[in-house]
Amino acid sequence: DQQVKQNSPSLSVQEGRISILNCDYTNSMFDYFLWYKKYPAEGPTFLISISSIKDKNEDGRFTVFLNKSAKHLSLHIVPSQPGDSAVYFCAASAREAAGNKLTFGGGTRVLVKP
Amino acid sequence: DTGVSQDPRHKITKRGQNVTFRCDPISEHNRLYWYRQTLGQGPEFLTYFQNEAQLEKSRLLSDRFSAERPKGSFSTLEIQRTEQGDSAMYLCASSSTRTSYEQYFGPGTRLTVT
Repeated sequence: DQQVKQNSPSLSVQEGRISILNCDYTNSMFDYFLWYKKYPAEGPTFLISISSIKDKNEDGRFTVFLNKSAKHLSLHIVPSQPGDSAVYFCAASAREAAGNKLTFGGGTRVLVKP
Repeated sequence: DTGVSQDPRHKITKRGQNVTFRCDPISEHNRLYWYRQTLGQGPEFLTYFQNEAQLEKSRLLSDRFSAERPKGSFSTLEIQRTEQGDSAMYLCASSSTRTSYEQYFGPGTRLTVT
């Protein structure tokens, strides 16, 4: 039972354009959502997060949108840069989960073309 | 560097052997997590410690797996009688109680069982 899904395994975008990554979840107990970025041979790096009491959080070029009724969130990267080429993971956590363990999606590989 | 460190970075072992991995969390973090990531998938939660207490274990953690965190500092993950299905990236993450949703990951230990 995959509680967090990233339905697009890959995304190719031109440098300077917007990258939009999508994530869907099924567990209504999730109340905090995070995006991680992963380069090959490295661990995931925390990028941005959003609490379920908000519908948008922005940090520089990165914006996360949350639609609770649709159980959907998205990450916008604008403008996209070649250094953004990586695998992006959506993750979710529930307050009642022991230690706020994270449940991850399968990842979306982003390629930014110069 | 005050990030999460893991040792070794790579381990190749023969089926049936025992292996042990080490994780050193960020020094002020009292929570420590182990995740496993297989090819093409997102990380999956294995177990979690708050200080020296192991508070949750996933069903993925069979009897051949054991984790410890003596004195609430570094942690070790041991796999006994390794199987080819244990081949994966083992990731360690840490967080503080204050900002527990945001977990910071180490570079991982890649295990290959031949």
